[in-house]
Amino acid sequence: NAGVMQNPRHLVRRRGQEARLRCSPMKGHSHVYWYRQLPEEGLKFMVYLQKENIIDESGMPKERFSAEFPKEGPSILRIQQVVRGDSAAYFCASSPDPGETQYFGPGTRLLVL
Amino acid sequence: GENVEQHPSTLSVQEGDSAVIKCTYSDSASNYFPWYKQELGKRPQLIIDIRSNVGEKKDQRIAVTLNKTAKHFSLHITETQPEDSAVYFCAATGSARQLTFGSGTQLTVLP
Repeated sequence: NAGVMQNPRHLVRRRGQEARLRCSPMKGHSHVYWYRQLPEEGLKFMVYLQKENIIDESGMPKERFSAEFPKEGPSILRIQQVVRGDSAAYFCASSPDPGETQYFGPGTRLLVL
Repeated sequence: GENVEQHPSTLSVQEGDSAVIKCTYSDSASNYFPWYKQELGKRPQLIIDIRSNVGEKKDQRIAVTLNKTAKHFSLHITETQPEDSAVYFCAATGSARQLTFGSGTQLTVLP
C-alpha cells in the first residue's frame, strides 16, 4: 500500500512564476490536508479538502494561493506569482475519515529565487 | 480556533535517560492528540497518538499521557538512544478536523 505521494520533491521558481504542487493520498483516503513549514519552524495548516470540495481553507492566504482535489487525479496546491516568502516545505497529509490519523507525504521544497 | 503550546523548544539528554515534552491546548472540543517525529529533511512521522477517552497510552519506550481537565498532554521517551534525536511535534484536532501543531522540540540525545 503506497503511502502519500507528492511531486515534485524540489521546485525552483523565479519571482512572479507559478508553482504547482501535487499530492496523491494513500489508497482509500479521501481527505487531504496541506501544511506549510518555514525553515526551522512548525507546520501550519493551510487547507483541508475532500474529493471535489474545499472543507476548510482558513489557513490559506487569500491571494495567489488556491487548492483543488478533483474527482480524478491528485490534489493540487497552486501558488501564483510566487514571492521569496513563499519558499518553504509544503506537506500534504491524508486520512480515511475526518479526525482520523493523518499520514504525511515527503513534502515539496519550494525555493523562490 | 485551537492553539497548541509546546515546551521545551530544545532538550538535551544523555543516552539512556528519559525525555519529557509537554503540550497544552486551548479548545476543549479537541479529542485527538498525535505526536510526530521529524528528522532533518524528512516528513513528519506519527509515533504515537491518544484520544480523549484514554488517559495514557504506551508503545515500548514511548508513552503519552493526557489530562483533559487541565488541557495538557505529554510525551515520555524512556531509555533514549541517539536515533531518537529529531524534532518532535505535538498536535491537537477537534471540531475543525485539522491538526494544530505545537512549535516543536529539538531533542538531542548525547552518546
